[in-house]
Amino acid sequence: EAQVTQNPRYLITVTGKKLTVTCSQNMNHEYMSWYRQDPGLGLRQIYYSMNVEVTDKGDVPEGYKVSRKEKRNFPLILESPSPNQTSLYFCASSPSQGTQYFGPGTRLLVL
Amino acid sequence: AQSVAQPEDQVNVAEGNPLTVKCTYSVSGNPYLFWYVQYPNRGLQFLLKYITGDNLVKGSYGFEAEFNKSQTSFHLKKPSALVSDSALYFCAVRAVFSGGYNKLIFGAGTRLAVHP
Repeated sequence: EAQVTQNPRYLITVTGKKLTVTCSQNMNHEYMSWYRQDPGLGLRQIYYSMNVEVTDKGDVPEGYKVSRKEKRNFPLILESPSPNQTSLYFCASSPSQGTQYFGPGTRLLVL
Repeated sequence: AQSVAQPEDQVNVAEGNPLTVKCTYSVSGNPYLFWYVQYPNRGLQFLLKYITGDNLVKGSYGFEAEFNKSQTSFHLKKPSALVSDSALYFCAVRAVFSGGYNKLIFGAGTRLAVHP
């Protein structure tokens, strides 16, 4: 089944404790992206990747890192999480000019 | 600036009645427009898109959307609402930048509540 998977789905952590949210797609898509969803703000792009080893900042990149060592994986790294990073996170993938497909989301709470 | 506006935070409709969820956009060049739906505790699901061609686009679950270039709108519609249509709906436009980079710009979302 064609899909985007994210892990974990739910995460509670404390300020400053490094964490990684994994994202994987099995559709051989070139383009991958991370978004955060906050009430009243819709989805805002954090980082994106147009292909392996090609990543760039989106609209709200502060406090986040990404890497794209393989085509299928695009992990999101929070080196030192803070409470303002409490949010719902979505990974998405697409062919370079195609429709984006989203993962199920990761709900993060930073205490 | 390229943007998407969904003017209604919530839309309430009785089951069986037609529904409309509004979306207007501002983008350079020809717009690529999308609607996504988010059910509780689920990711975003693609509903439909407009790239070119017929202004009335049909999508999943009986939804359709009408592209209106002069009004820069892309309203989502359904002739007869179901309780199971209750969800959060997002309109998005693809913005294209130099070097081939493109991204989706999302509206804030509209919560649709269909009452029995």
